[in-house]
Parts: sequence; C-alpha cells; structure tokens
Amino acid sequence: GAGVSQTPSNKVTEKGKYVELRCDPISGHTALYWYRQSLGQGPEFLIYFQGTGAADDSGLPNDRFFAVRPEGSVSTLKIQRTERGDSAVYLCASRWQLNTEAFFGQGTRLTVV
Amino acid sequence: QQPVQSPQAVILREGEDAVINCSSSKALYSVHWYRQKHGEAPVFLMILLKGGEQKGHDKISASFNEKKQQSSLYLTASQLSYSGTYFCGTETNAGNMLTFGGGTRLMVKP
Repeated sequence: GAGVSQTPSNKVTEKGKYVELRCDPISGHTALYWYRQSLGQGPEFLIYFQGTGAADDSGLPNDRFFAVRPEGSVSTLKIQRTERGDSAVYLCASRWQLNTEAFFGQGTRLTVV
Repeated sequence: QQPVQSPQAVILREGEDAVINCSSSKALYSVHWYRQKHGEAPVFLMILLKGGEQKGHDKISASFNEKKQQSSLYLTASQLSYSGTYFCGTETNAGNMLTFGGGTRLMVKP
C-alpha cells in the first residue's frame, strides 16, 4: 500500500478482554516498530522487528503484551487481560533500513472500559 | 533510554523564531525530528547523522552535536502551520531502536 495501515482505527473493549491490533507496513520495509502514546506524551517504544524477528522487545510493559510478525510484513500486537491503564493510541511505524525515515500509521485508539 | 526535550511548550507570534533542544545520555548514531498535529500521525521532518551534521529546508533547520549528544531544531519566521508537537527520535550506536522524547508543544498565534 501507499502508507502504513493500522486497523482498527478505534477499539473499545472491556477490562479483562483480549485485543489484537494490526499493522500493515509499507511494502519492502524491513524494520517495524510499535509505540504507545498517551495524551500529551511522546511515543513510548514497545517493540521493534527486523524482518520476522523481534530485535528488541524491551519496551513491552509486561507479559500481557506480545507481538508477532510471522512473514516479515504484517505485524499484530496482542494484549491479554486488558486493563484501563492500557488505554492509549498505539502507533506503528516502518522503515527501509537504519538512517532512513520512519513512516507512521494513523494509530489505533484503544479504550478499555 | 529516551531523549530529553526542552522546552516542553512554546508560544510564538507569527514571524518569531524558536529553538527546540534534544539531549541524550547515550552516544547517538542519529537524530530524527518529527512534527505531530493533534489527532494525526507524526510526520517526518529530517534526519541528522553523526559527524556534526546540519540540515534544513524552507525555514526549518537542525544541527547535531555528536560530542555533546545534543540536537537542536530551529524554526525561523514561524508560520501558523508550524503549530504542533515536535518530537526528536534518537538512535544509539547499539542498533536500530528508535526512541522518542516527550515532545515540545509549539503554538503559533497570528
């Protein structure tokens, strides 16, 4: 596609439920990043993939968060047993390689009620 | 570890200048600058690589002091369209991880 696509754009879920957030990066981009952004804050790093492998997952807050990128393209961020504190905008970004521009998707606004 | 930005917020009149600073406690490989408007995705402005680069386009430019692990974004003769939140993103020598600062909120008034 022309840009980074994230679905859904909005997700409202009940506390305790499981959610999946999808990111479709720009074709050919090997690096893919997930960030979480709360209101008035900068993007908080969660995890980054180089190809199919998670090169750095040090930003995942706890074991309820998991992400995959099985074919080196689309990535899914999975959150188990959601909590109200998980409410935020989840941003995905992709880029071709080191030292190149990262392109962001429009984000998924997750609201846990 | 995320970079630190200052100031946190700036209010300008159209035509005035502003400087936004970004500093890191770690040795940096590159610095990225993005602007985000409310409800939108961050939009890329420029990348600076180690070696003391300076870059600019239009009336927005930036410098990168590798030794001080600092970068500054310069906005001259600000326009209303410059309003938004500016983020610096940094890459350390350790790899591809791109981490962002807390942002600087810029408001340009007529």
